Amino acid sequence: AQTVTQSQPEMSVQEAETVTLSCTYDTSESDYYLFWYKQPPSRQMILVIRQEAYKQQNATENRFSVNFQKAAKSFSLKISDSQLGDAAMYFCAYRSVGGAGSYQLTFGKGTKLSVIP
Amino acid sequence: DGGITQSPKYLFRKEGQNVTLSCEQNLNHDAMYWYRQDPGQGLRLIYYSQIVNDFQKGDIAEGYSVSREKKESFPLTVTSAQKNPTAFYLCASSIRDRGQELFFGEGSRLTVL
Repeated sequence: AQTVTQSQPEMSVQEAETVTLSCTYDTSESDYYLFWYKQPPSRQMILVIRQEAYKQQNATENRFSVNFQKAAKSFSLKISDSQLGDAAMYFCAYRSVGGAGSYQLTFGKGTKLSVIP
Repeated sequence: DGGITQSPKYLFRKEGQNVTLSCEQNLNHDAMYWYRQDPGQGLRLIYYSQIVNDFQKGDIAEGYSVSREKKESFPLTVTSAQKNPTAFYLCASSIRDRGQELFFGEGSRLTVL
């Protein structure tokens, strides 16, 4: 079974600065998808960014980008120019592309990000 | 607007009672999911359904039951057999393409007194 580890339970960043959230995962598969979700105080999960494992290029979405290191099984999220609205729980998630597990996401335990004005 | 509706948002029940959480989606998604969220635990999969009239157990299915009689609906029953039912429950849906993300509802907070 796949596991996802987020080693930073909490982090903080100054407004307008850059912060990187860490995520590592364990898998024996060569093809899969990785996601970062944001959960603001409203508690609705929102997709931030998605990465396909077979693509070398790191995904980017505006101020959000990832550093995907497949060999190291690492998938970190970088938030640039942090804004107050970025304060939330951030979850890293893994999705298989084959077998019975391919229709579910496996989540890490989350990182709580605070943004300091 | 398309989306996922969960109800109720807050629910209080006495110990030993069964409760049913509603999840409805109008996104025309085939797959639906129920996750449980506890502080410091992330999200854990309870049940999922890839198609109408079919569903599979997730990692923590004991004490829960589901049905999938309609594509749009995937209700979750928390039974009296669930030892620690107080939690935040999230419903999600997705198309069956494995690369696609899950879309989530706003969640239901269940408190058992």
